[in-house]
Amino acid sequence: EVQLLESGGGLVQPGGSLRLSCAASGFTFSDFAMSWVRRAPGKGLEWVSMIINRGADTFYTDSVKGRFTISRDNSKNRLYLEMIDLRVEDTAIYYCAKDGWASSFDNWGQGTLVTVSS
Amino acid sequence: EIALTQSPVFQSVSPREKVTITCRASQSLYDGLHWYQVKAGQSPKLLIKRATQSVSGVPSRFSGSGSGADYTLTINPFEAEDAAEYFCHQSGNVPYTFGQGTKLEIK
Repeated sequence: EVQLLESGGGLVQPGGSLRLSCAASGFTFSDFAMSWVRRAPGKGLEWVSMIINRGADTFYTDSVKGRFTISRDNSKNRLYLEMIDLRVEDTAIYYCAKDGWASSFDNWGQGTLVTVSS
Repeated sequence: EIALTQSPVFQSVSPREKVTITCRASQSLYDGLHWYQVKAGQSPKLLIKRATQSVSGVPSRFSGSGSGADYTLTINPFEAEDAAEYFCHQSGNVPYTFGQGTKLEIK
């Protein structure tokens, strides 16, 4: 059974930093691209970032470029999202999601809440 | 960036009714239009992949159709447990994008 477990969320002041982690199990982690998707309060889903299976290629939505860095450790079956210069508008539940057929997201974690507030 | 526009945004539905949600893309999608269900307090769940392909474990009353820039999710018949939000998602171009969502409630 595929399991994705996020951690690392919390309350941080504007301009602060956080590192999110996603522990993966139940599949060959190194074979799949992974993404972070977020949902702000009262808003819809927003794709944030993606990393290809070997980690050589990464992609970001424009609003986080230069502030967020996605990475992975295939030896530990872990996905990360390093976030700096956080803004109030980054407040959201952050989900890690596994790439499925045609890059659908076939498995999701339970999410971790990031709150950016003074 | 490819924009996805869903309609309706909200609908009140009677049990056993047929429901259709549409998703229109700002340009033609050659591949990679998917549908998700999000129930209150839960993570998204993949319902339909590549516009028409069913997903293991998803009830057969959920189906997808469409091509090019226009896609449809159909729930037939609607059941009480289907009250949720529904999102379309395109993975053909980076940045990936989602529709704004459709909320279905029981009438």
